[in-house]
Amino acid sequence: AQSVTQLDSHVSVSEGTPVLLRCNYSSSYSPSLFWYVQHPNKGLQLLLKYTSAATLVKGINGFEAEFKKSETSFHLTKPSAHMSDAAEYFCAVGNRKLIWGLGTSLAVNP
Amino acid sequence: EAGVAQSPRYKIIEKRQSVAFWCNPISGHATLYWYQQILGQGPKLLIQFQNNGVVDDSQLPKDRFSAERLKGVDSTLKIQPAKLEDSAVYLCASSSVRRNEQFFGPGTRLTVL
Repeated sequence: AQSVTQLDSHVSVSEGTPVLLRCNYSSSYSPSLFWYVQHPNKGLQLLLKYTSAATLVKGINGFEAEFKKSETSFHLTKPSAHMSDAAEYFCAVGNRKLIWGLGTSLAVNP
Repeated sequence: EAGVAQSPRYKIIEKRQSVAFWCNPISGHATLYWYQQILGQGPKLLIQFQNNGVVDDSQLPKDRFSAERLKGVDSTLKIQPAKLEDSAVYLCASSSVRRNEQFFGPGTRLTVL
């Protein structure tokens, strides 16, 4: 069985400061891991995915995530937050069928 | 490359009425998904198609929800009759056979009064 836990339901940062959104997963085999972003009234957009290649995955808009098997984590980071990063972020695990986390709402303060 | 198209974008109906949503996936994508996303929650898979066959519909409330993908391209999701708890955003996504990332449409926001 697979599961995903997003450790923070809400994160607030100041513009220009680093972003850290945490995701832990559970899987009985080596899964694919994904981060998606959802802006208000928009569909989900793929930020990045991990598929057993490099453990540090670079995505769009300056985001990256590191796969840590020993910690069963796949945290999303960005060095410097921008106002446009304010959105809902979802971590998901799986291959053809994805198991989704409950989401982390990111607020970026000026 | 055109993305996943969905219509309508918004729909308001009264309980016990019926409603249908339409999805056109990315050209060439064999796999199509319908999700329900209730406010404040992650997406919940309702049904997954591979071409025009159903792969997974274990979480589809079959007494009121139905979906079809007759020619392996477009798909429709129907609710009949609607309940208040069906108020949600209905997302359609598609993926290719070779790559497992899912691409999402803008969603249909359904309000049941």
